[in-house]
Amino acid sequence: DSGVTQTPKHLITATGQRVTLRCSPRSGDLSVYWYQQSLDQGLQFLIQYYNGEERAKGNILERFSAQQFPDLHSELNLSSLELGDSALYFCASSVRNNEQFFGPGTRLTVL
Amino acid sequence: KNEVEQSPQNLTAQEGEFITINCSYSVGISALHWLQQHPGGGIVSLFMLSSGKKKHGRLIATINIQEKHSSLHITASHPRDSAVYICAAHPISNFGNEKLTFGTGTRLTIIP
Repeated sequence: DSGVTQTPKHLITATGQRVTLRCSPRSGDLSVYWYQQSLDQGLQFLIQYYNGEERAKGNILERFSAQQFPDLHSELNLSSLELGDSALYFCASSVRNNEQFFGPGTRLTVL
Repeated sequence: KNEVEQSPQNLTAQEGEFITINCSYSVGISALHWLQQHPGGGIVSLFMLSSGKKKHGRLIATINIQEKHSSLHITASHPRDSAVYICAAHPISNFGNEKLTFGTGTRLTIIP
């Protein structure tokens, strides 16, 4: 158990819908990262937050947004969902510049 | 060309064999991660290293910064080692900008 929790574990929804994925980092970790893993693209970095502020952005679509709250949990919002958004979404947390610990992931299926 | 490349893509070996997975990168890094992903999907961080060698149980990771190359070795391999192994480059830190760049992974299968 990495200490990082993600909910829900599985999510099935329809095209055009909006979903929110939630991540709670390890106690004391200020950095949260979101990653997408699809079958054809492998693991891709989406976005990083550090203590509530956005720090780095990867290939995150405009339909996707994220935030980190004062209690350090983070949410990834995916809207206008398309079939191609079906993937595993991982969050990870770390103390800055250190090893990242991954959550169990949320498997999103868009039908 | 990907910034982080792994080889081989797939590896099948007999139980007990010594396993080597290679990772080459072209970006400047402050550290390199080795991750393990089991069939269920969960990702476990195995190592984060910036120089030399680290060992944990039967796993050994080495890195050569000058040659931009890292290897993950598994001694006395076991079927439970079957997983996808992913290396990820941790960029030279730009005040908190720590996005990882991932290799495509090596699928390891150990046959009893």
